[in-house]
Amino acid sequence: DAKTTQPNSMESNEEEPVHLPCNHSTISGTDYIHWYRQLPSQGPEYVIHGLTSNVNNRMASLAIAEDRKSSTLILHRATLRDAAVYYCILREGGAGGTSYGKLTFGQGTILTVHP
Amino acid sequence: DVKVTQSSRYLVKRTGEKVFLECVQDMDHENMFWYRQDPGLGLRLIYFSYDVKMKEKGDIPEGYSVSREKKERFSLILESASTNQTSMYLCASSPPLAGSYEQYFGPGTRLTVT
Repeated sequence: DAKTTQPNSMESNEEEPVHLPCNHSTISGTDYIHWYRQLPSQGPEYVIHGLTSNVNNRMASLAIAEDRKSSTLILHRATLRDAAVYYCILREGGAGGTSYGKLTFGQGTILTVHP
Repeated sequence: DVKVTQSSRYLVKRTGEKVFLECVQDMDHENMFWYRQDPGLGLRLIYFSYDVKMKEKGDIPEGYSVSREKKERFSLILESASTNQTSMYLCASSPPLAGSYEQYFGPGTRLTVT
């Protein structure tokens, strides 16, 4: 499985933007970049995903480098409820894939948001 | 609202007991997954299923088995529970061609084996 590298932890202040980086230098052409987060005592929650182009949804934005070897999750205005562990994951997307889209979780980035 | 539900949030079992963890999804998804989560080790895939009665081993299948008799239900079985199976167990589901779709997780079952 292609691997991702994230910082162990990051801190932010409430109402400020947060940029969470992820390196995935061994990404293949059919891999989608997925982001999930896990709040304390809960199951992981989908945040956003993309393939090549930048993506926006109601929760966040995903900026993907042109060579696809890195990406950045952007929370535009952090709130206390955004404090969580954020996981960047590569997910096989090709029609001929055999992994059925299983997620391989790394250690993620622990995001602390200060009031 | 999409939903993945798990039969229990907390479970305490004795060593040697047979344990069933149930997961149900209401989204008509083909793919279902069982993970366990341990401090310092993150989430690890135990088994997954891509269709009724079909299953595939994940990264850590030893000591576990699964059953998928109906599309909406995926069960994880600990044939003879051991203390090293004390963990948080998470179920998830997703549509096929899964790379382009999100995976939905249940709330988790915290299992303690004494």
